[in-house]
Amino acid sequence: EIVLTQSPGTLSLSPGERATLSCRASQSVSSSYLAWYQQKPGQAPRLLIYDASSRATGIPDRFSGSGSGTDFTLTISRLEPEDFAVYYCQQYGSSPRYTFGQGTKLEIK
Amino acid sequence: EVQLLESGGDLVQPGGSLRLSCAASGFTFSSYAMCWVRQVPGKGLEWVSVISGSGGSTNYADSVKGRFTISRDNSKNTLYLQMNSLRAEDTAVYYCAKRPPTSWYLDLWGRGTLVTVSS
Repeated sequence: EIVLTQSPGTLSLSPGERATLSCRASQSVSSSYLAWYQQKPGQAPRLLIYDASSRATGIPDRFSGSGSGTDFTLTISRLEPEDFAVYYCQQYGSSPRYTFGQGTKLEIK
Repeated sequence: EVQLLESGGDLVQPGGSLRLSCAASGFTFSSYAMCWVRQVPGKGLEWVSVISGSGGSTNYADSVKGRFTISRDNSKNTLYLQMNSLRAEDTAVYYCAKRPPTSWYLDLWGRGTLVTVSS
């Protein structure tokens, strides 16, 4: 089973700043089967990035994903007030089909 | 509008059973594989199960294998999760999510339904 470890656990930044979130896998993730989701309190997760670097429909271009193998990054170039949330990375594999990281909470400084 | 709406969550005693439903609208339901993902309140996400568009292929997390059954009725655009032998650790918000054809990621999630297992 591939374990995803996200860092930092909490990131405190101000609107307008750049956010860099990390997701490290315990084994290489096949074919960049890596996604990022955003979750706000009381809401369902929302797909941001899939295939490590492809933005989902309707996602602003301030969100970008990069990485391959075991190291992946989600970057938010200039934080907007609505970006403060919890972010999860997810990978797709054989067994279990999907695993998630433990999440990074992005909070307003 | 593309939408997923879960229902069926409730308070149930340990050892009990519950069936969750997920009503889909706004897309061709039978073309999409569907998943259940759960989240203990205040904690992270855990994948539970996936079913193919036809319903002919299913897969489960080890934590629920043998106790939970995923199914679908494409004529009713509805996904189900039959949960038996429930344990306290099954307490969570259960989300359904859809997976686009030929893709692997989950592009839309419902708002979830809360299952509480407690005596």
